[in-house]
Amino acid sequence: DVKVTQSSRYLVKRTGEKVFLECVQDMDHENMFWYRQDPGLGLRLIYFSYDVKMKEKGDIPEGYSVSREKKERFSLILESASTNQTSMYLCASSLLSHTAFDQPQHFGDGTRLSIL
Amino acid sequence: DAKTTQPTSMDCAEGRAANLPCNHSTISGNEYVYWYRQIHSQGPQYIIHGLKNNETNEMASLIITEDRKSSTLILPHATLRDTAVYYCIVRASGSGYALNFGKGTSLLVTP
Repeated sequence: DVKVTQSSRYLVKRTGEKVFLECVQDMDHENMFWYRQDPGLGLRLIYFSYDVKMKEKGDIPEGYSVSREKKERFSLILESASTNQTSMYLCASSLLSHTAFDQPQHFGDGTRLSIL
Repeated sequence: DAKTTQPTSMDCAEGRAANLPCNHSTISGNEYVYWYRQIHSQGPQYIIHGLKNNETNEMASLIITEDRKSSTLILPHATLRDTAVYYCIVRASGSGYALNFGKGTSLLVTP
């Protein structure tokens, strides 16, 4: 089974701090994703990466950056945390699709981040 | 991505089959039907996907009508651990990476 592991289930940080969320996958997937999930707003894509050192902005990249130095690891960085970044953060991975359908995305269990 | 419509909630007795419907009447010929679920306090979990033929895996079966305008996810022997929100998504390859979950169906499996 695909295993996507996020470094923390719960995290509490203060406004203005630089926050790092780590994600590791063990299935040699090319694609990795960071989403945030908020009640009533559903899942929103922050960034994704299709290869080492490659990244693309998603729908809500403002206030975030990412790093992918190794294929299995994708980090989300909150440059200067703010209270409106309090959310559930979900990492996902998938194979690169060479077929007519999108490869399914496999998710970690999420990090519930609170910014005080 | 085509719009989908799912019931807000459903109940199912443990051990019985859970049949979760999804309407996608505007589906295009190149769009696949995907099902994910999210158990409380966990990340979403991929279940199954299909184009037009019925599909089965170790988790569930997917039945797609001949006109492809609706589908049903079947959990053959529901357990308490199947209590979750189930999301039906219709999308084509290359339609963007972001998964857009609607409101889904909240399935409650009762003893």
